[in-house]
Amino acid sequence: DIQMTQSPSTLSASVGDRVTITCRASQGISDWLAWYQQKPGKAPKLLIYKASSLESGVPSRFSGSGSGTEFTLTISSLQPDDFATYYCQQSDSYLYTFGQGTKLEIK
Amino acid sequence: EVHLVQSGGGLVKPGGSLRLSCAASGFTFSTYSLNWVRQTPGKGLEWVSFISSSSSSIYYTDSVKGRFTISRDNSKNSLYLQMNSLRGEDTAVYYCARDWNGVLDHWGQGTLVIVSS
Repeated sequence: DIQMTQSPSTLSASVGDRVTITCRASQGISDWLAWYQQKPGKAPKLLIYKASSLESGVPSRFSGSGSGTEFTLTISSLQPDDFATYYCQQSDSYLYTFGQGTKLEIK
Repeated sequence: EVHLVQSGGGLVKPGGSLRLSCAASGFTFSTYSLNWVRQTPGKGLEWVSFISSSSSSIYYTDSVKGRFTISRDNSKNSLYLQMNSLRGEDTAVYYCARDWNGVLDHWGQGTLVIVSS
């Protein structure tokens, strides 16, 4: 199975900060990577697909990049609504796998 | 608007069975693959199972193979997960999710399954 490793596990930041979350795959996955945001008690929400494509309706402060084994999710200017947990997910293999999550906390 | 409405969770004893359902609306159900994903309380997301639009391709994570069965009824716009021989480690919130080329673009609201004596 393809393992996905996110870093950091927890990130403390302030409103207005620029933050970056990294996701590494245990083998090359081309650009078959998606990012999701999850708030407590809610289902995950798709943010980014194909590594860098922004899902419709998602604010442009979210961006994704990378290919192969290393990927990043960047939030250019944190807003209060962005404090949540973020997950990456690979679909290069039909056995999908998620990263362990990055919790974005208010500093 | 796409909607996935789940039902069927609850408390079950170890070794017992439960069937989860996911009713879809707002899109052409028969043309999309679907997945089940679970989340252990306080933990991360774990993909559980995939079924293609025509049910011709079905996959499971290793930990549920032989115990869980994914199925769909395109005439009823519904997805199912039959869970047998349940274990404590199957306790989780289960989500159904629509699959668009490997991207889980719409999710159900989640249903809690508790396996406990």
